Amino acid sequence: DADVTQTPRNRITKTGKRIMLECSQTKGHDRMYWYRQDPGLGLRLIYYSFDVKDINKGEISDGYSVSRQAQAKFSLSLESAIPNQTALYFCATSDSTDSGQFFGPGTRLTVL
Amino acid sequence: RKEVEQDPGPFNVPEGATVAFNCTYSNSASQSFFWYRQDCRKEPKLLMSVYSSGNEDGRFTAQLNRASQYISLLIRDSKLSDSATYLCVVAGYSSASKIIFGSGTRLSIRP
Repeated sequence: DADVTQTPRNRITKTGKRIMLECSQTKGHDRMYWYRQDPGLGLRLIYYSFDVKDINKGEISDGYSVSRQAQAKFSLSLESAIPNQTALYFCATSDSTDSGQFFGPGTRLTVL
Repeated sequence: RKEVEQDPGPFNVPEGATVAFNCTYSNSASQSFFWYRQDCRKEPKLLMSVYSSGNEDGRFTAQLNRASQYISLLIRDSKLSDSATYLCVVAGYSSASKIIFGSGTRLSIRP
């Protein structure tokens, strides 16, 4: 079984809809992250969490919110989706900044 | 200037060739450095960490040059399966907001 899973893997939605992307991990890591990837821009950090009670904004948090329900679960919400949020979204985990990150398979989100 | 810059490529080299990529970073306080590999439409996968003393893993060698603020990745005896995008990652000390990904260098190995 995969160490980091994301659901759904693909989602098409309409402008204005609320969307939740979910991430679960079995690696036992405390740190979890949400990124988005756009062609030519690389990965950009949306939110991160160092433990269940810790939530921090990343580079591009506007329009997004997160919830860390447990050590193993970190969900990303788009409160009112807009077309420029169309992207590939990755969840990642790590046990420290020094150790590198492990990524989930990604969620491809299209907002029409 | 971008915080982390990579030549986007594509690098198109024959199988068996040696290929090298560089990645420059602007923050001299950066502490941790990594190379990731990403296949098309897949998640990035950690290839190797980059240490001050350099490190080698099979056909892959990574180097760090703090004075000139760049890291490098050398791939020897390249295989068709090495075709991918290689992402350089630079991290500060203890803060996730300082983890910066480069946009990646595309490598294509031809038979």
